[in-house]
Amino acid sequence: DGGITQSPKYLFRKEGQNVTLSCEQNLNHDAMYWYRQDPGQGLRLIYYSQIVNDFQKGDIAEGYSVSREKKESFPLTVTSAQKNPTAFYLCASSWTANTGELFFGEGSRLTVL
Amino acid sequence: GQQVMQIPQYQHVQEGEDFTTYCNSSTTLSNIQWYKQRPGGHPVFLIQLVKSGEVKKQKRLTFQFGEAKKNSSLHITATQTTDVGTYFCAGLRPYNTDKLIFGTGTRLQVFP
Repeated sequence: DGGITQSPKYLFRKEGQNVTLSCEQNLNHDAMYWYRQDPGQGLRLIYYSQIVNDFQKGDIAEGYSVSREKKESFPLTVTSAQKNPTAFYLCASSWTANTGELFFGEGSRLTVL
Repeated sequence: GQQVMQIPQYQHVQEGEDFTTYCNSSTTLSNIQWYKQRPGGHPVFLIQLVKSGEVKKQKRLTFQFGEAKKNSSLHITATQTTDVGTYFCAGLRPYNTDKLIFGTGTRLQVFP
């Protein structure tokens, strides 16, 4: 089945540690996105990538980093510079950056202890 | 800051009652999408509207895009418990078409 796979589903980390969230898609989509969702709030865009080896900052990129070395993979690193990293992280993809629907993964819930 | 607002933030209804959520943008949008997120789940695409004044229906759901392309609404007729979740609108700005701007969401609770 085609889709987007995020891992891990739940993650705990200590303050000061970097953590990398995985996102893999087999939909052959060009565009991929990372969103952050906090309780009772909408989705805020962290980073997005329209094509391999290229990515752009979203609205809340500080404290995060990404890479897009392969079309199907778009990992997100939450660095120790992110002041409030506890959140639900959603990865999504679409055929292109400005058309059609977003397909979301099931999300990764990060808790900083 | 958030440029797409949704009202209400929460809505509790009795099963069988109707429900409407409104989405308002500070700027004109080239299109509007609607997503549903079940509790503990991820957003799932419902529909996309592109034309000014467009109305689309999916069974008990009616979606509308305003004439000025700055607002949209989702109306559910005769709610069911399966309608529970948070409904998000998301718009694409005409001159910054790389990314959707998501609304704040409306959480719907349906009591049997």
